[in-house]
Amino acid sequence: DIVMTQGALPNPVPSGESASITCQSSKSLLHSNGKTYLNWYLQRPGQSPQLLIYWMSTRASGVSDRFSGSGSGTDFTLKISSVEAEDVGVYYCQQFLEYPRTFGGGTKLELK
Amino acid sequence: EVKLQQSGDELVRPGASVKMSCKASGYTFTDYAMHWVKQSPGQGLEWIGTIIPLIDTTSYNQKFKGKATLTADKSSNTAYMELSRLTSEDSAVYYCARGVMDAWGQGASVTVSS
Repeated sequence: DIVMTQGALPNPVPSGESASITCQSSKSLLHSNGKTYLNWYLQRPGQSPQLLIYWMSTRASGVSDRFSGSGSGTDFTLKISSVEAEDVGVYYCQQFLEYPRTFGGGTKLELK
Repeated sequence: EVKLQQSGDELVRPGASVKMSCKASGYTFTDYAMHWVKQSPGQGLEWIGTIIPLIDTTSYNQKFKGKATLTADKSSNTAYMELSRLTSEDSAVYYCARGVMDAWGQGASVTVSS
């Protein structure tokens, strides 16, 4: 199974500052079709997860452009520019390359 | 609007089974796979399995083989997950999510208790 490892945030993050969340996979998520099968989700308190980014860097429909995804085949970053109150929650990365679909352990973002 | 409406919360006895549903609307049900995800209390997300309704093909996390059974009813645009031989370890919130997981159900809580 592909293991997904997420980094922690230096919480709390001051409102208006940027925050970067890291994620590392135990295997390259780069497919032969050129796409990298890495998703990012946000789970706000008491809510279902919400897709933010797919294919490593494509924002899902309706997602603010304050969110951006980048990376290589095994190392990924989700950047949130100008953090707002609505960004509070737990962020998860997930690989979509192989079964079983595996998630990172989550990174909590708290606001100052 | 894409919507996944899950069935309600369940309180079940140890050793029993529970079957939950996920009714899809706002899109063509057979165009997308449906995934099921477990979230234990205070924990992260765990993929259980996937069903492709068009061809009734399933893929399971090895950990949930024998525990979870995924089915789909194309006539009612509804996906189902049955959990068997329940123990306290199965107490969790269960989500359905379609396709690339761009839409999620509201979650269904299962509590296993005598």
